[in-house]
Amino acid sequence: NAGVTQTPKFQVLKTGQSMTLQCAQDMNHNSMYWYRQDPGMGLRLIYYSASEGTTDKGEVPNGYNVSRLNKREFSLRLESAAPSQTSVYFCASSEDRRARDEQFFGPGTRLTVL
Amino acid sequence: AQSVTQLGSHVSVSEGALVLLRCNYSSSVPPYLFWYVQYPNQGLQLLLKYTSAATLVKGINGFEAEFKKSETSFHLTKPSAHMSDAAEYFCAVSLALGGSQGNLIFGKGTKLSVKP
Repeated sequence: NAGVTQTPKFQVLKTGQSMTLQCAQDMNHNSMYWYRQDPGMGLRLIYYSASEGTTDKGEVPNGYNVSRLNKREFSLRLESAAPSQTSVYFCASSEDRRARDEQFFGPGTRLTVL
Repeated sequence: AQSVTQLGSHVSVSEGALVLLRCNYSSSVPPYLFWYVQYPNQGLQLLLKYTSAATLVKGINGFEAEFKKSETSFHLTKPSAHMSDAAEYFCAVSLALGGSQGNLIFGKGTKLSVKP
């Protein structure tokens, strides 16, 4: 059981470039999430997918798009990267979107936008 | 609106000393509360969670937390710190109502240092 996996681990982009962050889970979870972590800010929710076929905006969605490709995979796309998007990105999953459900996190992607 | 406040962005203790990391929440309904730990260059791992079954919650690695409704607190403690406890700790509240049900609201984190 790999849990939640993310690729790539590190990425450097130039302003205006695009890229897709990949996330996959093997726990048969229904719900998946994308967060960004910035120093002193905790984690902030970018987008989430309550179940296969649905996606919704979180707290900080501007500049991002997501795709729930199937039950296992949830990708995050930056269409035109900006320096403000330099951050560590975490994908997470949970059995469902019930308030009591624990979220399981991937190892993160460190993104630098120059 | 729900929110989480963690008092102290950095806490330093000596090995063997008590660890106390503070978390206060605001919520209009009974909350679900979580503590996560993040070791350097890793993702977050659940330490423990409160889901209203018991006010004193025991977690992994000897950590525990007590839910105090009157104080709106969920402080994390460990009787004796170990060097391996050095990490960043996040308190989170889960929204239990409405369209955002199940989304986690995180505190800003507390970095724990353990001195030999």
